Order: sequence, then C-alpha cells, then structure tokens
Amino acid sequence: DAGVIQSPRHEVTEMGQEVTLRCKPISGHNSLFWYRQTMMRGLELLIYFNNNVPIDDSGMPEDRFSAKMPNASFSTLKIQPSEPRDSAVYFCASRGPTIAKNIQYFGAGTRLSVL
Amino acid sequence: AQTVTQSQPEMSVQEAETVTLSCTYDTSESNYYLFWYKQPPSRQMILVIRQEAYKQQNATENRFSVNFQKAAKSFSLKISDSQLGDTAMYFCAFSGSQGNLIFGKGTKLSVKP
Repeated sequence: DAGVIQSPRHEVTEMGQEVTLRCKPISGHNSLFWYRQTMMRGLELLIYFNNNVPIDDSGMPEDRFSAKMPNASFSTLKIQPSEPRDSAVYFCASRGPTIAKNIQYFGAGTRLSVL
Repeated sequence: AQTVTQSQPEMSVQEAETVTLSCTYDTSESNYYLFWYKQPPSRQMILVIRQEAYKQQNATENRFSVNFQKAAKSFSLKISDSQLGDTAMYFCAFSGSQGNLIFGKGTKLSVKP
C-alpha cells in the first residue's frame, strides 16, 4: 500500500499566484480530509469529503480557497490568489469505510511558502 | 465545541527512561475516539495509539500506553524505555460524531542519550 500521496512536497510561489495542491488517498478509503499546520494555529481542519462529496468546509479560511474531489482517487486544494499568510504545511488524510477503526492516515504534507 | 489541551509545550527524558505526556479534552459527546500522533522532523504524521471511549481498558502498543480517564476527560501517553527515535512532536487528537480530528497544540519531546 503506497499510503496517502501528496504533491508537491514543497511549493514556493509569489503573492498573487495560483497554487494547487494534490492528494491521492489510499485505495478503498472513502473519506478525505485537508488540514493546515501553522505555528500560530497548530493543526486545523480545512475541509473534508465523504464519498467525494464535501461534508464540512467551515474551516476554509475564505473564498480564495477551494477544494475538489472529482473522483475517489484524487483531490485538489487550490488557493487563488495566494498571500504570504497562506504559508503553512498542508496535509491530506484519508480514512476507510470501517467506522469502528476511525483512523486517519496522513500524507507527507506540502510545505507552501508564499513570498 | 470540542477542545483538546496539551499543557506541556516541551519535555525531555533520558534514553531508556519513562515519560508521560498529558492531554485533556472537552466534549459533550459520549462516543468518540482519542489518538496520539507523532510528528518527527520529517513532518510525517504517524499514528502512535488509539483509544475508543466506550472501552474502559487502556490501549497499549508495545512501549506506548495510555491512561484514559473518561470522567476526568484525561488521556495521557506513557512512553516506556524511551529511545532516541522517539524524539518528535506528539499531538493528542479527538474525533467525535463529525468525523474530523481536533488536535492539541502538541508537546515537543526530546530524548537525550
């Protein structure tokens, strides 16, 4: 099992540019989560999907952020336009359908730097 | 709203000794899960141990064990025979009916040779 795959590992961009982060969940998992980690706010949920449908996007900071899950094996998080305060590590996590386990598996994260 | 509190920003322990990391949480739910995740410098989030709230027995995974006190809403992690590879940030997390994880601020653990 390859685990949750995120790309890119690092992204450096200039303020105002569009940034797209990508995530491939573990095969067979039906829930996908996007988290952001900063020194000030720690780890916080941005959005999560169940069976490709967004369930809770209350953590998305503002309209500049959008997330999609066009199929069970791919999700994107887009920031347009990016700002320096978006600099953070962005994690994707997936969870299988067996509720009893309720374990989320994390990708390696994308470190985003907006200059 | 649920909250998770880790009151120890940093801790250190000598190799081979035992250390306990504290975590308290607040919730009105009766069914939930609690987790400890480890984040080494590589920044990968690694699941250390998991506890189901309806189970009274404390979870154990090799050198890692928890002390789960449901009434006190306390969930501490004990690491026995600490190893250099245990050096990392440790996050306590709560998962309730909404399904997402709510994290504490983390405890930075340093294991000294």
